[in-house]
Amino acid sequence: DTEVTQTPKHLVMGMTNKKSLKCEQHMGHRAMYWYKQKAKKPPELMFVYSYEKLSINESVPSRFSPECPNSSLLNLHLHALQPEDSALYLCASSQTSGSQETQYFGPGTRLLVL
Amino acid sequence: QKEVEQNSGPLSVPEGAIASLNCTYSDRGSQSFFWYRQYSGKSPELIMFIYSNGDKEDGRFTAQLNKASQYVSLLIRDSQPSDSATYLCAVALNQAGTALIFGKGTTLSVSS
Repeated sequence: DTEVTQTPKHLVMGMTNKKSLKCEQHMGHRAMYWYKQKAKKPPELMFVYSYEKLSINESVPSRFSPECPNSSLLNLHLHALQPEDSALYLCASSQTSGSQETQYFGPGTRLLVL
Repeated sequence: QKEVEQNSGPLSVPEGAIASLNCTYSDRGSQSFFWYRQYSGKSPELIMFIYSNGDKEDGRFTAQLNKASQYVSLLIRDSQPSDSATYLCAVALNQAGTALIFGKGTTLSVSS
């Protein structure tokens, strides 16, 4: 089973709202990732968690706040977003964060900021 | 700036033909290479990974890696209309912690 689940599937929010994206995996993976994908562009890495600790933050604005409450869950808290933040937000996981580990992607959350 | 380059296409092939997708990368120290398929509106799905020079085959798919030329390719034999999608080449950065750098993707269209 290589399933990563993400909720919600779609989200519409105003620029003053606070919302959270949720990602879950039960494969025993110890590395989890957030990517952002704009239309007709490749995914861009935002954050990497390894053993529940933030190991990579790709200079993401502070209006995006990741959280890894346990080894199966990854959240992305959103606050005061801008319309240009509208995108598909993808969660991925891998066994560990080693460079030969395959990353498995969830279905994504499609976010629209009005 | 570490880069992964792909021809954006579209690459059009008839059903049953071989589709050849190419990718070059700039970081000579890169060790791990992945091909993902992405259908419109869906998330990337792993097709193949390759770490060593040479060919790796899995069903109708063959990945080829040439580290000296910094080149990786994906061949799809007996192409089917269901193979029509965007194919993303991804390279793992040569650093602690995996960060995948994606190419812009090649759009493949297989006509029946």
